[in-house]
Order: sequence, then structure tokens, then C-alpha cells
Amino acid sequence: AQSVTQPDIHITVSEGASLELRCNYSYGATPYLFWYVQSPGQGLQLLLKYFSGDTLVQGIKGFEAEFKRSQSSFNLRKPSVHWSDAAEYFCAVDLVRGKLQFGAGTQVVVTP
Amino acid sequence: DTAVSQTPKYLVTQMGNDKSIKCEQNLGHDTMYWYKQDSKKFLKIMFSYNNKELIINETVPNRFSPKSPDKAHLNLHINSLELGDSAVYFCASSQGTGSVRYTFGSGTRLTVV
Repeated sequence: AQSVTQPDIHITVSEGASLELRCNYSYGATPYLFWYVQSPGQGLQLLLKYFSGDTLVQGIKGFEAEFKRSQSSFNLRKPSVHWSDAAEYFCAVDLVRGKLQFGAGTQVVVTP
Repeated sequence: DTAVSQTPKYLVTQMGNDKSIKCEQNLGHDTMYWYKQDSKKFLKIMFSYNNKELIINETVPNRFSPKSPDKAHLNLHINSLELGDSAVYFCASSQGTGSVRYTFGSGTRLTVV
């Protein structure tokens, strides 16, 4: 069955430290891949997306993600986190006809 | 200038009531969606409409009925509300039946008491 897995439910990181959020998918072909961020009480904001081409994708707010076909992964990274990066992060794949399947989310807590 | 707007933002209602959530987009998109985010923050698609035609209908109880009067609007009507319907409901839109320009609304937090 098609699935999106975010292995880390919760990550705590110090301000200024690097951040990596993991995402693995199980799908027959290479799907369209997305990372969204949801701040407390807010909607979903698209950070970046991968459709094809360069496997290293740059997004907003200093985030980037790397698609690795061999590992069926699409991990999100940021070199230096800011307190405002504290939020819930969702990986998603487009299964078909715009039907997004989301991972369970990773909550990021940023400490001073 | 909100691209995808939902009303109301918060909705508290009693079990058994009927309520509607409205969604409007001004992006000129032709496809609109409803997603449900449960208490564990799990997001799942409920419906999608393309040019007012229903194209995705997940296993959602019949008490939920989407209505799309035109391409710019997709409303969600819920009959006989149950405690388990408490969630955040997100509307989204895209151009075409794909996720290239997916845009989400800010959500409607529904609480059934």
C-alpha cells in the first residue's frame, strides 16, 4: 500500500543548530513530493516541492530537501534554525489527480 | 487578498446539529479540495471537485456533503454532527487535477460538544 512515513514524531533542536527531518515514501513510481509547514493555529504553507530534475530542491525560509530514489526518501534540511521554525512539518506525496497523502508530521521544538 | 478563504474560522456546535463550512478561492483554479486534520494532526483528503464535478470521494460518511456552486466555491455541509467530527477542516485549490499549484486555506476548527 502507498504510504508516507515520517519516522520522527518530535524533534528538539537548539537555535542556530542544523535540522534534518526524514521522510520516506512507498509508491510504485516516483511521485510528486512536498514539504509543508504548519505553525500553531495556522494553515499549511508549502516549503518546497519536487517533481523531477535536480534532486536537491531549494525552498522558502532557507529550507532545502534532497530526493533520493534509491532510498525512497525526501529529507528536509536547514543549516541553522531560528526560533520561528518551531512548527509541525508534513511530508506529502501526490498519489493521483491531486490527492495528497500526508505523513503523520514531525513537531519541531526550538530551544534557546 | 486571501487566496483561499474559509468561513468560519472557528465553529462550536452541539451534537446532532447541521452545519456548513464555506470555502472560496480567487486564484482562478478549477479544482478544489477538502481535507480533515484530526486531533493527532493527521491530514486526510475527503473530497475534490474539478469544474464543479466530484472527482475524489474518499470513504467519508454520508453525513458529509460537499457542494460546488461554481469553480470558485466548495462548501462542506455536515448533517447530524457527532463528537468524532471535531477536527480542523482545510480547503485547498489547484489548477488542474494535480498538485502543481496547490494552495491551502487557513482551516476551520470544528468542535462538537
